[in-house]
Amino acid sequence: NAGVMQNPRHLVRRRGQEARLRCSPMKGHSHVYWYRQLPEEGLKFMVYLQKENIIDESGMPKERFSAEFPKEGPSILRIQQVVRGDSAAYFCASSSQRDEAGELFFGEGSRLTVL
Amino acid sequence: QKEVEQDPGPLSVPEGAIVSLNCTYSNSAFQYFMWYRQYSRKGPELLMYTYSSGNKEDGRFTAQVDKSSKYISLFIRDSQPSDSATYLCAMSRNTDKLIFGTGTRLQVFP
Repeated sequence: NAGVMQNPRHLVRRRGQEARLRCSPMKGHSHVYWYRQLPEEGLKFMVYLQKENIIDESGMPKERFSAEFPKEGPSILRIQQVVRGDSAAYFCASSSQRDEAGELFFGEGSRLTVL
Repeated sequence: QKEVEQDPGPLSVPEGAIVSLNCTYSNSAFQYFMWYRQYSRKGPELLMYTYSSGNKEDGRFTAQVDKSSKYISLFIRDSQPSDSATYLCAMSRNTDKLIFGTGTRLQVFP
């Protein structure tokens, strides 16, 4: 897990507030993936990004969720107007090449609690 | 029906036992098969990575893929208490997103 940095590690929000989760990929990695893990469930794909491009957002809820990976700086997963059902662990993973399908390196996760 | 099925366990075994973890899947297009280990409150870490069918061994770990049966396995020999974790299988069609199983919780007791 060393190298993929996520912050904050824990975030508490009240319903209706916004949550911003940040992910800095491993050095040299330009591909970022966001996954969500609900209690007692596996990881669910949300979005795949390269620098300045969203490649696949088929796992993102249509409303309130957005993601970006700017030319400079970390990738950000943004959740607007959070609801209790958004409480989960959000994991970011990075890879160096698109062809390395299995070579994903995960961060420690950001745990969002919505009160 | 989920694309990837995995028994959630928990699986409890004595130290030194051989552990067998399994997943089945429904999508015949999957070509890449992975096993991740996740300790409590941590991120998943890649254990084994296999392309297409066959076996792969790495130390005490052996991964098997049987595409004809849509069945993958992870064997852990001489299990240790430090192997206690949740084991997630994952697979993908090509170079895109991984589809994960729900994970099997393993407890190895001394």
